[in-house]
Amino acid sequence: AQKITQTQPGMFVQEKEAVTLDCTYDTSDPSYGLFWYKQPSSGEMIFLIYQGSYDQQNATEGRYSLNFQKARKSANLVISASQLGDSAMYFCAMREGRRGGSQGNLIFGKGTKLSVKP
Amino acid sequence: EPEVTQTPSHQVTQMGQEVILRCVPISNHLYFYWYRQILGQKVEFLVSFYNNEISEKSEIFDDQFSVERPDGSNFTLKIRSTKLEDSAMYFCASSGQTSGYNEQFFGPGTRLTVL
Repeated sequence: AQKITQTQPGMFVQEKEAVTLDCTYDTSDPSYGLFWYKQPSSGEMIFLIYQGSYDQQNATEGRYSLNFQKARKSANLVISASQLGDSAMYFCAMREGRRGGSQGNLIFGKGTKLSVKP
Repeated sequence: EPEVTQTPSHQVTQMGQEVILRCVPISNHLYFYWYRQILGQKVEFLVSFYNNEISEKSEIFDDQFSVERPDGSNFTLKIRSTKLEDSAMYFCASSGQTSGYNEQFFGPGTRLTVL
């Protein structure tokens, strides 16, 4: 079974509007972290936002916010006031609880390609 | 701002050749990772490294792969005998905190092309 599911292969949004990118996850570990990364066409992976499984409040970082619904196992990324530079692939990732000395590797979804229209 | 660096940015090799991909993690980080991304696909975990040894590895990380931290700064991924299906972008990442969450900082990647 997929650990991270991103059901939207591609999304379009008008500049200055908000957009929500979906992510659902599957884990039986009570301790986990959820991450969103942006990958522009140049290829690098840029960290955007993090949500811990025990965090009471939804994470926010500037124009990015994470809509964390633990019971539904969803961690959707909301980008407000979209900009042309937001056009990129967006990956949701999960890190499960630490084992031994490991910080835990990231498990990625297949990504959503966001295109911002002027 | 400190960053993870990787060299080379692009490596072209013949099938069966050995390649070494190099990474310089952020200097005070303790945990190091290699991931790969086949063109158009998701990022996949290969291996994590802590305290001079492998802490976890995936099924992809078979006997053809090895990692090393030869000195205090470099972290390398070696593929002994490359195959066509090894063609991918290889990302190095590092993280530093020992408690709480720790963001994994990714390098810019090395694009490996096996001919």
